[in-house]
Amino acid sequence: DADVTQTPRNRITKTGKRIMLECSQTKGHDRMYWYRQDPGLGLRLIYYSFDVKDINKGEISDGYSVSRQAQAKFSLSLESAIPNQTALYFCATSVTSGFNEQFFGPGTRLTVL
Amino acid sequence: SQKIEQNSEALNIQEGKTATLTCNYTNYSPAYLQWYRQDPGRGPVFLLLIRENEKEKRKERLKVTFDTTLKQSLFHITASQPADSATYLCALLNTGNQFYFGTGTSLTVIP
Repeated sequence: DADVTQTPRNRITKTGKRIMLECSQTKGHDRMYWYRQDPGLGLRLIYYSFDVKDINKGEISDGYSVSRQAQAKFSLSLESAIPNQTALYFCATSVTSGFNEQFFGPGTRLTVL
Repeated sequence: SQKIEQNSEALNIQEGKTATLTCNYTNYSPAYLQWYRQDPGRGPVFLLLIRENEKEKRKERLKVTFDTTLKQSLFHITASQPADSATYLCALLNTGNQFYFGTGTSLTVIP
């Protein structure tokens, strides 16, 4: 089984809808991250969490919110989706030290019409 | 402004040659820099990490250098193989514990 899973893998929605993307991990890592990837812009950090009670905004948090329900679960919400949030979204985890590698999930392709 | 720039063009090389990818950054003071590989439709996979006080790191056919004066990292794949074809991303950890990624370089190894 994959260590970092994301659901759904693909989602098409309409402008104004509320969307939740979910991430689960079995690696036992404390740190979790949400990124979006756009052609030509690379991976950009949306939110990150160092433990259940520690959540921080990343480079591009506007229009997004997150919830860390447990050590293993980190959800990303788009309260009112807009077309420029169409992107590939990745969840990642890492160990506490932060010097180690990040482990990425398979990604969620989100299209907002 | 802060920028991380990787080879702007896709890189095509012949099998067996050495591929060299560049990562240049401005207005960051990274404690360390990482390199990832990303295949189409998949998440990035970690390859190597190099700290600010290290000049060079090797892992099998991979070599990474880090020059904090030039603000540049070079990523080398020696004896390249078609299976090395992928997009390669550099990432740095800046003060504030946030990771910043470059846009990636697409590498194609031609048999």
